[in-house]
Amino acid sequence: EAGVAQSPRYKIIEKRQSVAFWCNPISGHATLYWYQQILGQGPKLLIQFQNNGVVDDSQLPKDRFSAERLKGVDSTLKIQPAKLEDSAVYLCASSSRVRQGEQYFGPGTRLTVT
Amino acid sequence: SQELEQSPQSLIVQEGKNLTINCTSSKTLYGLYWYKQKYGEGLIFLMMLQKGGEEKSHEKITAKLDEKKQQSSLHITASQPSHAGIYLCGADPITGNQFYFGTGTSLTVIP
Repeated sequence: EAGVAQSPRYKIIEKRQSVAFWCNPISGHATLYWYQQILGQGPKLLIQFQNNGVVDDSQLPKDRFSAERLKGVDSTLKIQPAKLEDSAVYLCASSSRVRQGEQYFGPGTRLTVT
Repeated sequence: SQELEQSPQSLIVQEGKNLTINCTSSKTLYGLYWYKQKYGEGLIFLMMLQKGGEEKSHEKITAKLDEKKQQSSLHITASQPSHAGIYLCGADPITGNQFYFGTGTSLTVIP
């Protein structure tokens, strides 16, 4: 079974630029999560999808972050414009149920904003 | 606010020693989950605990959830260098859908 795929693995941009991350979950997993992990901290949930609907986006900075999951499979997370404090690892995870902590994580995208 | 407190923040042990990591919630939980993260990589699911008093083991790692479902411990017996990494507890609160993680415990095992 293929795992959660993410791309790119690394990205360096200047502040005020835009960036997009892509995630392909495990086949058949209805729930998809995007997390932000700042160095030395635990992951913080940004947005959770159930199929192509949003379950929770209460911690997503909506003035600059957006996410979509068209057709309930792949997902993209965008930051526009980026700030220095957005430097972090962005993790995508998927699971087979909404209320299910057994999540499968991708390798993450390490973003550096200069 | 939703918080999971982990202790200790970091741990350095000699190979072969036992160790315990704790995770405490201010709220009663629907479920408590343990993950391991190797440096620079994604998280790997270890165990899920949902019943008060539940205990699960996998190889040399044992996790317990207290009766009140607010505190969990992760115990590693006879630690090995392969156990090194960051251990994170995660939780579903009883109310609400949002899943959240603790701050993590960094484990170093010295050969």
